[in-house]
Amino acid sequence: QVQLVESGGGVVQPGRSLRLSCAASGFTFSSYTMHWVRQTPGKGLEWVATIWFDGSNKYYTDSVKGRFTISRDNSRDTLYLQMNGLRAEDTALYYCAKDGWEAAAPKGFDHWGQGALVTVSS
Amino acid sequence: DIVMTQSPDSLAVSLGERATINCKSSQTILYRSNNKNYVSWFQQKPGQPPKLLIYWASTRESGVPDRFSGSGSGTDFTLTISSLQAEDVAVYYCQQYFSTPTFGQGTKLEIK
Repeated sequence: QVQLVESGGGVVQPGRSLRLSCAASGFTFSSYTMHWVRQTPGKGLEWVATIWFDGSNKYYTDSVKGRFTISRDNSRDTLYLQMNGLRAEDTALYYCAKDGWEAAAPKGFDHWGQGALVTVSS
Repeated sequence: DIVMTQSPDSLAVSLGERATINCKSSQTILYRSNNKNYVSWFQQKPGQPPKLLIYWASTRESGVPDRFSGSGSGTDFTLTISSLQAEDVAVYYCQQYFSTPTFGQGTKLEIK
């Protein structure tokens, strides 16, 4: 079955960096677009970034552009989120999510990991 | 960005009764080339990630009980739980993936 396991979360000071990883299994990772989504009590669920199946296209929410980089290693079935210049408002639970497809149409985010907690605090 | 607005923010329903959650998008999310509305509904229980219930506004994900149904098109969408069970207590979110993905603010469903 599909499994997504995030790692790399932790407590970090403002301005510092952190890299999240998401290890995928149970599906052909290299065939699917992947996403990062974050969740905070105050702002709910917020899409952060998307990377196409082959890494050829990447998209970011405005608040992280220029600071975060999404990438993937299809040989390792792993998704990454490099977060630089972290701010207090980046504090959240970060989920990786798999894109679903059916009958040649997207069906949304069909599988999610358990999340990695990132706390930005001095 | 497309804004998704859910109503109500919270809802208390008796066991066995119907629960209805609404979601309105700030612009149409109907993809005309395949006539599909790119809207999903998720259920999130405490300490768990969101779980996909419904996609294309009305297609139930595999394994989801048939008491869950989705309806709507264009800009107005509804998630209905026909007969509320205790295990349905959760927060429910709508999401559009027609463009840059956005989520509704969530609806907390409780037992009355």
